[in-house]
Amino acid sequence: AQSVTQPDIHITVSEGASLELRCNYSYGATPYLFWYVQSPGQGLQLLLKYFSGDTLVQGIKGFEAEFKRSQSSFNLRKPSVHWSDAAEYFCAVGPRAAGNKLTFGGGTRVLVKP
Amino acid sequence: GAVVSQHPSWVICKSGTSVKIECRSLDFQATTMFWYRQFPKQSLMLMATSNEGSKATYEQGVEKDKFLINHASLTLSTLTVTSAHPEDSSFYICSARGPAGGSANTGELFFGEGSRLTVL
Repeated sequence: AQSVTQPDIHITVSEGASLELRCNYSYGATPYLFWYVQSPGQGLQLLLKYFSGDTLVQGIKGFEAEFKRSQSSFNLRKPSVHWSDAAEYFCAVGPRAAGNKLTFGGGTRVLVKP
Repeated sequence: GAVVSQHPSWVICKSGTSVKIECRSLDFQATTMFWYRQFPKQSLMLMATSNEGSKATYEQGVEKDKFLINHASLTLSTLTVTSAHPEDSSFYICSARGPAGGSANTGELFFGEGSRLTVL
């Protein structure tokens, strides 16, 4: 069965500092990979996705993520965080076949200090 | 494009009543929608897959008689929480596969804003 692990439940970072959120997955084959962001009381917004090709993908809001097959990881990074980046971040995996049933990680809550 | 909207965004009801939550794809047709439940400070738990014109597929442990799902059109799926109790209080989120030929083929889902249910 597939699973997604986000080892860090909370991360606190100073504004302007870099941010890295970890995501590890267990899957039978190479899945589709996603990062979503959720602001309090809101739905989820897609930050970026990986399907194939270049393993370093660029997303919105200055985020990027790198797919490392050997490590089964898809870590999210941002060089310089803004106060508005404070939110909950979810990594998700889904099958390449039809179905689109995503499996979500437990989420990482990011707090940005002034 | 690919906007998904939920209504209501929040609802408070008395124990024993039923509550309906709507999920609409505003600018595309969605043959498949998904309903998730999210407890405070937790991740999303898939409840069921809603298929237009057919019965929903429920995940293990989800009571189909408790959470009625109807997907009567290509742009609307509804989740009805029947005989709601305080333990049903949660944040319910729907999502839809994107437009055919585009993100529908690549696994991307578009999410509604969520509906917070509080059962007194």
